Amino acid sequence: QVLLVESGGGLVKPGGSLRLSCAASGFTFSDYFMSWIRQAPGRGLEWVSHINYNSGIIKYADSVKGRFTISRDNAKNSLNLQMESLTGEDTAVYYCARGNDAADFWGPGTLVTVSS
Amino acid sequence: QSVLTQPPSASGAPGQRVSISCSGTNSNIGSNAVSWYQQVPGAAPKLIIYTNKYRPSGVPDRVSGSKSGTSASLAISGLQSDDEADYYCAAWDDRLSLVVFGGGTKLTVL
Repeated sequence: QVLLVESGGGLVKPGGSLRLSCAASGFTFSDYFMSWIRQAPGRGLEWVSHINYNSGIIKYADSVKGRFTISRDNAKNSLNLQMESLTGEDTAVYYCARGNDAADFWGPGTLVTVSS
Repeated sequence: QSVLTQPPSASGAPGQRVSISCSGTNSNIGSNAVSWYQQVPGAAPKLIIYTNKYRPSGVPDRVSGSKSGTSASLAISGLQSDDEADYYCAAWDDRLSLVVFGGGTKLTVL
């Protein structure tokens, strides 16, 4: 079965960095767009970034452009999100999802807390 | 302020039918497919409608979606207690070049 598991979340100080990873299994990872979507505490969903099959198409939300970098390793079935210059506005649960505008499988999420 | 507009809440009694609207513009719903997600508290969202009206495997046929112009709608008939959740619409936005979500609708089964 399709399984997505995020890791790498935690507490980080403002201005700090964090790298999230998503381990995928149960499907041909290299066939799919992959996305990162986040949800701040008590708030709605916010799409963060997506990447196509061969990393040739990459998009970011304006709120993270220039600070976050999405990447994938098809040989290792993994998706990554490098986050720099973090602020309190980045505090959220970060979900890895298969697909882009219609994401059909999601991981359980990893919590990122930016606080001093 | 979300790009797609949803009512913050909706409710219905068990067995009833409820509808949730999602309003957008020509650059998103007007020209792209709409998806709907269900999120139970403490869990990840689950895709329940894609490409405006199609249900993924395992989603019951009492859940339906539709789109007309720059608006979309999710309908759930035969309401059950486990339909209580937050519901989000989403679509690609050509002008913003990103996926936009509605603010979410909290569905309460009375």
